Amino acid sequence: NAGVTQTPKFRILKIGQSMTLQCTQDMNHNYMYWYRQDPGMGLKLIYYSVGAGITDKGEVPNGYNVSRSTTEDFPLRLELAAPSQTSVYFCASSHGGRAQPGKPQHFGDGTRLSIL
Amino acid sequence: EDQVTQSPEALRLQEGESSSLNCSYTVSGLRGLFWYRQDPGKGPEFLFTLYSAGEEKEKERLKATLTKKESFLHITAPKPEDSATYLCAVQRRGGSEKLVFGKGMKLTVNP
Repeated sequence: NAGVTQTPKFRILKIGQSMTLQCTQDMNHNYMYWYRQDPGMGLKLIYYSVGAGITDKGEVPNGYNVSRSTTEDFPLRLELAAPSQTSVYFCASSHGGRAQPGKPQHFGDGTRLSIL
Repeated sequence: EDQVTQSPEALRLQEGESSSLNCSYTVSGLRGLFWYRQDPGKGPEFLFTLYSAGEEKEKERLKATLTKKESFLHITAPKPEDSATYLCAVQRRGGSEKLVFGKGMKLTVNP
């Protein structure tokens, strides 16, 4: 059981470039999330998904897009990268919904992204 | 708006010196309060979930407690391997499983 796997681990982008951060989980979790973590700040939710084909915005969605075509994968796309998007990005997954309320989220080890 | 405040921001302890970390929260209907541990360069690792005031959970040297306004993470006789950043997060009832995190508390345990 690998849990939540994120690739790449590190990346440097130039301003205006685009890229996709990959996230896959093997726990058959229906819910998946993307967070960003900036120094001295708490984790902020970017987007989340309650199942394949369903996504919704979190607290800080501007400049990002997501898709969820399968239960396992939840990629995060950055279009027109900006210096303000320099951060550490974490993907997480959990069981969720009315049948399983309050289950913990399980996190990957993050992608460290610098935009210069 | 849901809010989580953790204090202190950083704490240095000697090995064996017990202490407590505080997590104060405001949320309209608590579904759960979560504690995570985060090591440098790693993702948060789940420790505990507390669901209602008065609940307590233990794991090795850690004990988490919950009241209607705050949670404490008690660390008894800590060891250097307990050094990490500890994160607290709340989940609101009917809030689509979303977590609101505090800024974290960096614990350093010196041998």
